Amino acid sequence: GEDVEQSLFLSVREGDSSVINCTYTDSSSTYLYWYKQEPGAGLQLLTYIFSNMDMKQDQRLTVLLNKKDKHLSLRIADTQTGDSAIYFCADSGGYNKLIFGAGTRLAVHP
Amino acid sequence: SAVISQKPSRDICQRGTSLTIQCQVDSQVTMMFWYRQQPGQSLTLIATANQGSEATYESGFVIDKFPISRPNLTFSTLTVSNMSPEDSSIYLCSVGTGGNEQFFGPGTRLTVL
Repeated sequence: GEDVEQSLFLSVREGDSSVINCTYTDSSSTYLYWYKQEPGAGLQLLTYIFSNMDMKQDQRLTVLLNKKDKHLSLRIADTQTGDSAIYFCADSGGYNKLIFGAGTRLAVHP
Repeated sequence: SAVISQKPSRDICQRGTSLTIQCQVDSQVTMMFWYRQQPGQSLTLIATANQGSEATYESGFVIDKFPISRPNLTFSTLTVSNMSPEDSSIYLCSVGTGGNEQFFGPGTRLTVL
């Protein structure tokens, strides 16, 4: 079946850029998503990209998609302590069903 | 986007009992879903709540254990039946608004003793 994989942990210094990576297996994916989950909270949709796009930028967020390699990344520019959270990559597995990765815990330190 | 609320936000229950979780959306939506997030884990889709018909369950989830109702386009319930400690999780409702986005509620944190 479809699978989505992410590295589990990333630590960055405040002000640096963060890059969170994700790989997926479903070649028929139409949309790929990034969600943010802060402690004790639900999931916040950050951004998503259509599968025929290579890049999408939204303020501090840049999403890069390499469809050939089935690789997705999320870059956060000028990372702040408020960006500390778990970031989930998700693949639309058809009929709006989302397949989630395990989540990457981003820790931002001074 | 859609504003989604869930009740209760958290609960502690005894094994063998059942809990019904409510999901309310501030606008009519086409799709409603229920996910489970076990402690320290990612999210797994339980089922799609279909308005006016039986829910569509994912592999590993059955109606007897997780009955779902969806009486209209803004409301759904998920019941966790005959609970055991393994059911301790966060249960999240999500909605698809007809576009490409899916929004999540704040979740219900369930602990089963």
